[in-house]
Amino acid sequence: RKEVEQDPGPFNVPEGATVAFNCTYSNSASQSFFWYRQDCRKEPKLLMSVYSSGNEDGRFTAQLNRASQYISLLIRDSKLSDSATYLCVVNTYSSASKIIFGSGTRLSIRP
Amino acid sequence: NAGVTQTPKFQVLKTGQSMTLQCAQDMNHEYMSWYRQDPGMGLRLIHYSVGAGITDQGEVPNGYNVSRSTTEDFPLRLLSAAPSQTSVYFCASSPRQGANVLTFGAGSRLTVL
Repeated sequence: RKEVEQDPGPFNVPEGATVAFNCTYSNSASQSFFWYRQDCRKEPKLLMSVYSSGNEDGRFTAQLNRASQYISLLIRDSKLSDSATYLCVVNTYSSASKIIFGSGTRLSIRP
Repeated sequence: NAGVTQTPKFQVLKTGQSMTLQCAQDMNHEYMSWYRQDPGMGLRLIHYSVGAGITDQGEVPNGYNVSRSTTEDFPLRLLSAAPSQTSVYFCASSPRQGANVLTFGAGSRLTVL
């Protein structure tokens, strides 16, 4: 089983729709969680951190459920420019910090 | 403010050839790492370094060597390229190990024939 699992998609939704992705992680020692965005043939860039209390940044909302070991990303009022691959990232602190990336969920917004 | 610079952006090798992917950062980051990204596999950690003179293996280190003689530079060496090493390689850095945010280079696309 992969340490971090995501639905690969693709999610194909109309502009203005609300879309949500989930990501599950297997290591209960995981302590920090993030969503990165990766555009086609570009490097990943941090979209937002995920806090235990949940957090919101404009149209984006991230939530963490430690009991069920998943994080989620909700995008409201989606724009064409939201089309990208969204990577779930988990940082586990043990003997050394270990940053694990999910394989990504591809989102395509259609006009 | 260059951030993380990777060279070359594209490279084609023949099986058995060797080469070095260069990575340099100008942010005085202690932690540097190399990932490879393959379709459906996400980013997998190859090697990482927590400071000059210190390197360690990640998830998929076989066939790759690294060194960290300075804080700024973290080259990745392919000793004898194989078609399985065809991938996109990303270098990333952060202020320290355990820091949450990674800054990535633009990537190096390697094809091994």
